[in-house]
Amino acid sequence: EAGVAQSPRYKIIEKRQSVAFWCNPISGHATLYWYQQILGQGPKLLIQFQNNGVVDDSQLPKDRFSAERLKGVDSTLKIQPAKLEDSAVYLCASSLDREGETQYFGPGTRLLVL
Amino acid sequence: RKEVEQDPGPFNVPEGATVAFNCTYSNSASQSFFWYRQDCRKEPKLLMSVYSSGNEDGRFTAQLNRASQYISLLIRDSKLSDSATYLCVVKGYKLSFGAGTTVTVRA
Repeated sequence: EAGVAQSPRYKIIEKRQSVAFWCNPISGHATLYWYQQILGQGPKLLIQFQNNGVVDDSQLPKDRFSAERLKGVDSTLKIQPAKLEDSAVYLCASSLDREGETQYFGPGTRLLVL
Repeated sequence: RKEVEQDPGPFNVPEGATVAFNCTYSNSASQSFFWYRQDCRKEPKLLMSVYSSGNEDGRFTAQLNRASQYISLLIRDSKLSDSATYLCVVKGYKLSFGAGTTVTVRA
């Protein structure tokens, strides 16, 4: 079974630039999550989708971050404009159901903002 | 106060040793509890769920203490391959991750 796919794996940008990350969840998984993991910290949930609807985006900095999952399958997360403190690993995860008790994570995108 | 707190370690133990560590959570209404494992520069992977009565999976034992609001993980007969960061995860209305406890098993 194919796992969660993410791209790119690494990205280096300058502050105030824009960046987008892509995630393809495990086939059949209705729920998709985006997490931000800053070095030395645990993953922080940014947004949770159930199919193509948003379940929780309470911790998403909406002035600069946006995410969509238009067809209920793959998803993109965008940062515009980026700040230095956005440097982190962005993890995508998926689960079969909304309860998300078993989440499968992708390899992550490592973002460095200079 | 953080929702989930863990001793960051590192716990540096020899092969074959037993190592144990705890995680405390602030929301008494939390419903489910998990341990995830994260290897260096890799993604987190579910290690085990934590049940009210405590549960074991091979060399790993997890326990939950609702009264004191903590969960624990014990690793017996440590292997080099157990070296990783162990993330405590607590589910209230959403999943909250701790910052992780780093375990290093040395030969």
